[in-house]
Amino acid sequence: AIQLTQSPSSLSASVGDRVTITCRASQGISSALAWYQQKPGKAPKLLIYDASSLESGVPSRFSGSGSGTDFTLTISSLQPEDFVTYYCQQFNGFPLTFGQGTRLEIK
Amino acid sequence: QVTLKESGPAMVKPTQTLTLTCTFSGFSLSTNEMRVSWIRQPPGKALEWLARIDWDDDKFYSTSLKTRLTISKDPSKNQVVLTLTDLDPVDTATYYCARSGLGLTDYFDYWGQGALVTVSS
Repeated sequence: AIQLTQSPSSLSASVGDRVTITCRASQGISSALAWYQQKPGKAPKLLIYDASSLESGVPSRFSGSGSGTDFTLTISSLQPEDFVTYYCQQFNGFPLTFGQGTRLEIK
Repeated sequence: QVTLKESGPAMVKPTQTLTLTCTFSGFSLSTNEMRVSWIRQPPGKALEWLARIDWDDDKFYSTSLKTRLTISKDPSKNQVVLTLTDLDPVDTATYYCARSGLGLTDYFDYWGQGALVTVSS
C-alpha cells in the first residue's frame, strides 16, 4: 500500500499567517492527490484535487502543488475558520490511502 | 444537488455483523464513471478507506479488511450497502459514504454526514 506521511502533525499559527503542510508518498503517485479539510464532528470537505486544482467554491487562499512523491497544501492568509484538521489522500492505486492528518491550532 | 446519508445501528456487539446503508440523490450509480466508497474514522484518528463499488458493479476492498467486507448496490433505490463481519471494539468508528468517479478518478467530492458505530458488549 502507498503510505502518505503528513508533516507537521500539528501546527500553531496566527490569523493572517501563511502556512504550508507537506504530504509525502512512499512511491510516486503522479498528480493523483487530494486535500481535505475536516471540522470537528463533520465530514471531510474536498479542497484540492489532482494535486493543484481548486474545488469549486473553495476560497482562493488555499492552493496545492507537487507531483510524484512530494506535495504541499498552502493557506496564504489564515482565517479563524481554518484552524481545523487537514488530510491528504492518494488515488493513484489501491488501496486508497489517507495521511495521518495535520491539526492547525491558533497560536 | 448531490447528497449522501448513512444509516444503520449505533451500537453492535462484538462478533456480530454490521450492515450500513448509504442512500444518495443527485446522481445515479448507473451512470458511467460514478463510484461510491465507504470510509471510516475511529474517534480521534485518521480516515481509512474501506471499499468502493462502481457503476458497472466492479468492487474494490481494503487489503486488510477484505475478508470481512462486502459492498453491494441497488441502483433502483439509489443505495449502497456495506457489511462488516466479526466486529471487534477496534471497529468503533464514524462510517462515511462518499462519491467519486469524476474523470475516472478517486477523490471524494461529496460525503455523507457520517454514522457513529460503537462496538461494545
